[in-house]
Amino acid sequence: SYELTQPHSVSVSPGQTATITCSGDNLGDRYACWYQQKPGQIPVLVIYKDTKRPAGIPERFSGSNSGNTATLTISGTQALDEADYFCQTWDSSTVVFGGGTKLTVL
Amino acid sequence: QLQLQESGPGLVKPSETLSLTCTVSGDSISRISSYWGWIRQSPGEGLEWIGSIYSGGSTYYTYYSPSLKTRVTISLDTAKNEFYLRLRSVTAADTAVYYCARHQWEPKVSHLDPWGQGTLVNVSS
Repeated sequence: SYELTQPHSVSVSPGQTATITCSGDNLGDRYACWYQQKPGQIPVLVIYKDTKRPAGIPERFSGSNSGNTATLTISGTQALDEADYFCQTWDSSTVVFGGGTKLTVL
Repeated sequence: QLQLQESGPGLVKPSETLSLTCTVSGDSISRISSYWGWIRQSPGEGLEWIGSIYSGGSTYYTYYSPSLKTRVTISLDTAKNEFYLRLRSVTAADTAVYYCARHQWEPKVSHLDPWGQGTLVNVSS
């Protein structure tokens, strides 16, 4: 079965750039998306179709996807960006989530 | 604005069937040709897709997680603007927050948005 691998945790200082990766076989051949989930809250779509931001998502969130890796980049990271981030794609009529990355802003 | 809301029992006994309803508001399921999905999240864990159903007029297609497909049924009622989850023979491992969401699923594309608020289901005797 298809798998997506994310780092368990990423730390970043306020104002710096956070980079979260998501790896899977030939992931770049399909679209990836990203969800943000803050403690006690529901997942929110922040990036879809690799690079697109839904309405209301700040411009500091961006995405890319090439080869075997999709990347979520948060520029000028703020304390309120501290959350779990999950990547997602699909394979063989199955939706696949990455295991999630805890972003700590400190 | 499309909104989804899960409902159903918060406690289910082991070996019984978990049944949840997702009520869609803000638009008509029958008007939107889309997939509708169920996802769950065990306490402190990641997201797990359960399955999705497509409504396109009178055509329905369902897709399920390989790990759950022997126990899962997803159905839809366009007249009520609702879709449903049934998970049979539950165990403690099925304790989770269950979410419903609109599932945008096209060639090469898959994402879930918006999500319902989620409902916690405990499996316990």
